[in-house]
Amino acid sequence: QVQLQESGPGLVKPSETLSLTCTVSGDSMKSSYWTWIRQPPGKGLELIGYIFDNKSPSYNPSLGSRVTISIDTSKNQFSLKLTSVTPADTAVYYCAREGALTAVSLDYWGQGTLVTVSS
Amino acid sequence: DIQLTQSPSSVSASVGDRVTITCRASHSLGGNWLAWYQQKPGKAPKLLIYAVSSLQRGVPSRFSGGGSGTDFTLTISTLQPEDFAIYYCQQVTRFPYTFGQGTTLEI
Repeated sequence: QVQLQESGPGLVKPSETLSLTCTVSGDSMKSSYWTWIRQPPGKGLELIGYIFDNKSPSYNPSLGSRVTISIDTSKNQFSLKLTSVTPADTAVYYCAREGALTAVSLDYWGQGTLVTVSS
Repeated sequence: DIQLTQSPSSVSASVGDRVTITCRASHSLGGNWLAWYQQKPGKAPKLLIYAVSSLQRGVPSRFSGGGSGTDFTLTISTLQPEDFAIYYCQQVTRFPYTFGQGTTLEI
């Protein structure tokens, strides 16, 4: 059974960097695409970006150059960094897997972690 | 970006009803690159349908998907109490992969 778990600070100050880690169990990280998605309170879903093994990640242009996704397959983890955060970055952040058999759709998700941007 | 517009934004229904939710894309999605998710309060979304009409493992057969080009549907044939939730479509044709705004299915 594939499981994903997000971890990181729940409160970040404006202009600082949001850092989250997703720990994966039950799957080889080298064979799937790993994705970050966020959902502001009461709003819809926004894909942040994804990474596959050590290939170059793909990022949503809406986040510009603020986002970095990295992977450490030896630790079964991938990470998200979002710089220069503002209150608009307050959201539940999810990590998820693109299923190899589900046509790029996200078949396993973490439970999500709320990150609040506030001073 | 490809915009996805779901309709209705919310719908009220009863147990046993048949419900259809529509997802319209701003550009043709070409192949079968559309998925549907269900989200319950405080939970992560759950994949229901991928590739327009393929049922994800473990999802009840009362859920079905269809459509092509720019117009897609999610149908729940006989509503059960556990189906009341928010439903999202997602296109995976062109990056950035985008989601519809969601449809709330209420009792």
